Amino acid sequence: DVVMTQSPLSLPVTLGQPASISCRSSQSLVYSDGNTYLSWFQQRPGQSPRRLIYKVSNRDSGVPDRFSGSGSGTDFTLKISRVEAEDVGVYYCMQGTHWPTFGQGTKVEIK
Amino acid sequence: EVQLVESGGGLVQPGRSLRLSCTASGFTFGDYAMSWVRQAPGKGLEWVGFIRSKAYGGTTEYAASVKGRFTISRDDSKSIAYLQMNSLKTEDTAVYYCSRGDCSGGSCYFTFDYWGQGTLVTVSS
Repeated sequence: DVVMTQSPLSLPVTLGQPASISCRSSQSLVYSDGNTYLSWFQQRPGQSPRRLIYKVSNRDSGVPDRFSGSGSGTDFTLKISRVEAEDVGVYYCMQGTHWPTFGQGTKVEIK
Repeated sequence: EVQLVESGGGLVQPGRSLRLSCTASGFTFGDYAMSWVRQAPGKGLEWVGFIRSKAYGGTTEYAASVKGRFTISRDDSKSIAYLQMNSLKTEDTAVYYCSRGDCSGGSCYFTFDYWGQGTLVTVSS
């Protein structure tokens, strides 16, 4: 299985300040078609996961542009340019290049 | 509007069986793969398995932790995906979500662009 390792696991952030979450995979996530199937999900308290980013850097419809994804190969990052109160929750990276696996999750909270 | 609604969860004893349903609406169900993902209480997300669309063989794949015990099937006429869970263990206790995947261009992809609200399965004596 491809292991996805996120850091940090807990991220206290001041409102209006940036936040960054790292995700590393144990194998390359470049698929045979040339695409990299790395997604980011947000899970607010008591809710189902919601996809924010797909194929590394593509924002889903309705996702605020303060969220951005970047990276390549085995090293990926989710950035929130200015954290808002509604961003509180757990964020997961997931690879879909191989059988799907998720990172452990990063809990974002307001300081 | 795409909607996925899971049902069928509940309390079940170890060793018994349970069948979950995922009822879809708002899209052409038969064109898509469907996955099941679970989340144990206070834990992270774990992919359970998926079923390809009929056009891509309708075949299934499973995580090692459930292979041989769980079976995914689909009824495209009713827009429902099922998760048959046999020989349940206490470690199968989780919220079970269904999620959509894309089948196109010769392959099926784990897009997980839509999720249901989940259904809780508790395995306990």
